[in-house]
Amino acid sequence: AQTIHQWPVAEIKAVGSPLSLGCTIKGKSSPNLYWYWQATGGTLQQLFYSITVGQVESVVQLNLSASRPKDDQFILSTEKLLLSHSGFYLCAWSLRGGTEVFFGKGTRLTVV
Amino acid sequence: GDQVEQSPSALSLHEGTDSALRCNFTTTMRSVQWFRQNSRGSLISLFYLASGTKENGRLKSAFDSKERRYSTLHIRDAQLEDSGTYFCAAPPNTGYQNFYFGKGTSLTVIP
Repeated sequence: AQTIHQWPVAEIKAVGSPLSLGCTIKGKSSPNLYWYWQATGGTLQQLFYSITVGQVESVVQLNLSASRPKDDQFILSTEKLLLSHSGFYLCAWSLRGGTEVFFGKGTRLTVV
Repeated sequence: GDQVEQSPSALSLHEGTDSALRCNFTTTMRSVQWFRQNSRGSLISLFYLASGTKENGRLKSAFDSKERRYSTLHIRDAQLEDSGTYFCAAPPNTGYQNFYFGKGTSLTVIP
């Protein structure tokens, strides 16, 4: 069974429209959760991390926000998309105190 | 500054040849992890090492157990399906907020 599930797989959205990307972790208690972003052909940029429900820390905001409404759920969102938001978004998890990170399959976002 | 430096940034190999990718850390790391990013963009974990070496088929990785400041990924008998971008990553030494990622090595295997 898949431990980490990201949705949607891909999105095409208009500039100025809202966005919500989701990530669910199954079978792991109180994992650390991460959002990464990668521009086409670019490097991985960490956006947010969360070590517990309701607590999210920003690394680089890029006019995005994140929330952790449940222990196993991590949401990335914005009310108004920019062209620069296009790219590949990856959710990841690690065990509390763990040194290994595991990634979801990612969401390809195209803002037009 | 960057904690992780990967080299080379890009590499072209002919099928059947061997090569090595390198990951240097500016400080001592507890472990290293190697990923390959496939054509869809997904990051596939290849190896996780806290020390020593690991081998899987034509891939072999090593993490310097003494200084803990560099790691290598060896590709033997390169095949077309090895093409992709390879990343190395390491966990922070204090706290667990941010895994350090290299900028990647873009590998192209040529027929």
